[in-house]
Amino acid sequence: GAGVSQSPSNKVTEKGKDVELRCDPISGHTALYWYRQSLGQGLEFLIYFQGNSAPDKSGLPSDRFSAERTGGSVSTLTIQRTQQEDSAVYLCASSQGVQETQYFGPGTRLLVL
Amino acid sequence: DAKTTQPPSMDCAEGRAANLPCNHSTISGNEYVYWYRQIHSQGPQYIIHGLKNNETNEMASLIITEDRKSSTLILPHATLRDTAVYYCIVRVANNFNKFYFGSGTKLNVKP
Repeated sequence: GAGVSQSPSNKVTEKGKDVELRCDPISGHTALYWYRQSLGQGLEFLIYFQGNSAPDKSGLPSDRFSAERTGGSVSTLTIQRTQQEDSAVYLCASSQGVQETQYFGPGTRLLVL
Repeated sequence: DAKTTQPPSMDCAEGRAANLPCNHSTISGNEYVYWYRQIHSQGPQYIIHGLKNNETNEMASLIITEDRKSSTLILPHATLRDTAVYYCIVRVANNFNKFYFGSGTKLNVKP
C-alpha cells in the first residue's frame, strides 16, 4: 500500500520567505509527527498530532514554526521568515495510534539561501 | 535527552551477520526498544521492536537482555544495501509518544 508521502521533495528559498511543507500520512493513521534532521545529526522532534489536535508543541524551535492538520489526514508545516539555520531535512511520520509504530516519509530537503 | 548509547560506527563483511549493540540502562518497565535505519538521503525505515522477549522478522532479529538494559540488533546475512545508520530508540511511555533519535551507528557493509 501507499506509504507516507511528502512534498516538495526539495525546496530552495531565500532568507525571509515563508515556506509550506506538506505531509500525506498512511490512510487510516490517526497520529502524525514532524521531525527535523540537520546534516549529520539525529532526528529532532518538532510536533505531533492526534487527529487534528496537537497536544505537544514544545518541540517547535520558534514562533516562526507552525503546523496544522485538517480532516485528520494531510498536515502542513509552515515556516515563516525563514532563516539559514532552518536548512534541514523535514521528516513526517504517521502511526495508527500514538502507541503504534511510526512509518516515515522520504522527507523534504529545505535549503535557505 | 540521551536514552540510548550506540557505537558511532561498525564494519561488517558482506554475507556475514551484523550485530549492532545498544545500551539503554535507564529503560522503564513499560518502554519498548525500537530499531530504525536510515539509508543515505532517505527517510528512516522501521526494522523491529520489542519489550522483553527476543523478536524476529523478515529483516532482523532483536535480542534483549534479561535486565532489559541493553539489546542487540542482528542482521543475519548483511548485504551492501544494508549500509546505513541504525538507530536504537526507547519509546517514551507517556501520552506524547515521542521518539528520541540519537546519533545512531553507521554500519558499513564491505564486499
